[in-house]
Amino acid sequence: ETGVTQSPTHLIKTRGQQVTLRCSSQSGHNTVSWYQQALGQGPQFIFQYYREEENGRGNFPPRFSGLQFPNYSSELNVNALELDDSALYLCASSTRQSYGYTFGSGTRLTVV
Amino acid sequence: GQQLNQSPQSMFIQEGEDVSMNCTSSSIFNTWLWYKQEPGEGPVLLIALYKAGELTSNGRLTAQFGITRKDSFLNISASIPSDVGIYFCAEYSGGGADGLTFGKGTHLIIQP
Repeated sequence: ETGVTQSPTHLIKTRGQQVTLRCSSQSGHNTVSWYQQALGQGPQFIFQYYREEENGRGNFPPRFSGLQFPNYSSELNVNALELDDSALYLCASSTRQSYGYTFGSGTRLTVV
Repeated sequence: GQQLNQSPQSMFIQEGEDVSMNCTSSSIFNTWLWYKQEPGEGPVLLIALYKAGELTSNGRLTAQFGITRKDSFLNISASIPSDVGIYFCAEYSGGGADGLTFGKGTHLIIQP
C-alpha cells in the first residue's frame, strides 16, 4: 500500500502571495488532517477533512483553508502569506475510527 | 487549550545506554501517543496507549500511561545509532475532530 505523499517538497513564496499544498492520502484512509510545524516545535493541528467537509479546526485564521476531493486527496491553501507562515506543513491520513495517523514527509514552505 | 510538557528537551547519550523521557499535562487524556521524527520526514507512530496504567512495549521501546491520566513516559533500552531523532508525545482527546496535540519534543543524540 502507498503511504501519504505530499507535493511539492520545498517551496519559496513572497509575503502576501498565496500558496496551495497537495496531499494524497494512504490507500483505505478517508480522513485527512493538516499540521504546521515551526522549527524546533511539535506539529500544530490546522484542520481535518472527512467526506469532503471540514469537521475540526485548530487555532488558525480563515486565510488557512482546505479542500478534500472524492478520492480523499486534499489541498491546503494559505492566502496573504506572512513571514511567520514559514514552516513544515504535514498532512496526515487516517480512518474515521482510528488513532493510526500516517504522516507524509511534509512540504517545507519558506516565506520571504 | 491543552498543553503537553516534555522533558528533557534534548539528551546526549552514549550508544548502548538506556533512555527515559516523559510527558505531563494539566488535563486528563484518553489516549497517549508517542511518535518519532527523523530529519526530512514526518512523525512515525511508535506506541499508542489507551488505558490508565497501561504498559506497552515495541521492541526496545516501552511506554506507560500514567495512573492519573496526566502523564506518560517512554523508555528506550540499549540505544543504537538509528534511535537518533526527535521523540514527541501527543494526545488525542477523542473529541472526534480535534486533531492531535503534540509536545515540543525530546531531541535524542547518540555519541558512538
